[in-house]
Amino acid sequence: DIQMTQSPSSLSASVGDRVTITCRASQSISGYLNWYQQKPGKAPKLLIYAASSLQSGVPSRFSGSGSGTDFTLTISSLQPEDFATYYCQQTYSLFTFGPGTKVDIK
Amino acid sequence: QVQLVESGGGVVQPGGSLRLSCRASGFTFSSYGMHWVRQAPGKGLDWVSFIRYDGSNKYYADSVKGRFTISRDNSKNTLYLQMSVLRAEDTAVYYCAKDQSGSCLDYWGQGTLVIVSS
Repeated sequence: DIQMTQSPSSLSASVGDRVTITCRASQSISGYLNWYQQKPGKAPKLLIYAASSLQSGVPSRFSGSGSGTDFTLTISSLQPEDFATYYCQQTYSLFTFGPGTKVDIK
Repeated sequence: QVQLVESGGGVVQPGGSLRLSCRASGFTFSSYGMHWVRQAPGKGLDWVSFIRYDGSNKYYADSVKGRFTISRDNSKNTLYLQMSVLRAEDTAVYYCAKDQSGSCLDYWGQGTLVIVSS
């Protein structure tokens, strides 16, 4: 089974900050990596699919990169509505989520 | 617009059974695979099961294999999850989600809460 890890598990940031979240797979998953955002009490929302493709309607301040085992989600300028938990997910072999990264207000 | 509405959650005793439903609208249900994903209180997302568009193949997480069964009725635009031999650790919000060509989960329902407790 493919295991996913994320770092950091949580971070505090200010509006306007550049934020980077890392996701690592236990084996190569090529580019089969997605990113989701979840706010408290709400369903997850797809942000990035296939490592770097922006889902329709998602602001361009979100970007993804990486391939193989190491991936990154970047928020170029953090906005108030971006405070949430972010999950990566591999779809190379079945479907596994990372443990999540909580982004809160500094 | 795509809508996914789950139902069937509730409180059930350990060892009991429950069937969840997910009614889909706003897209051609019979053309897309569907997932169940759960989230225990205060915890992360946990993929549970996937069924192909025509029901020909089904996949399960090891934690539910042999206890849960995913199915669909394309004539009713409805996805199901039959859960049996429920354990306390199955307590979670259960989400259904639409699959996009096996690459990502692009739409999610609002979830239904299952509590396994005596």
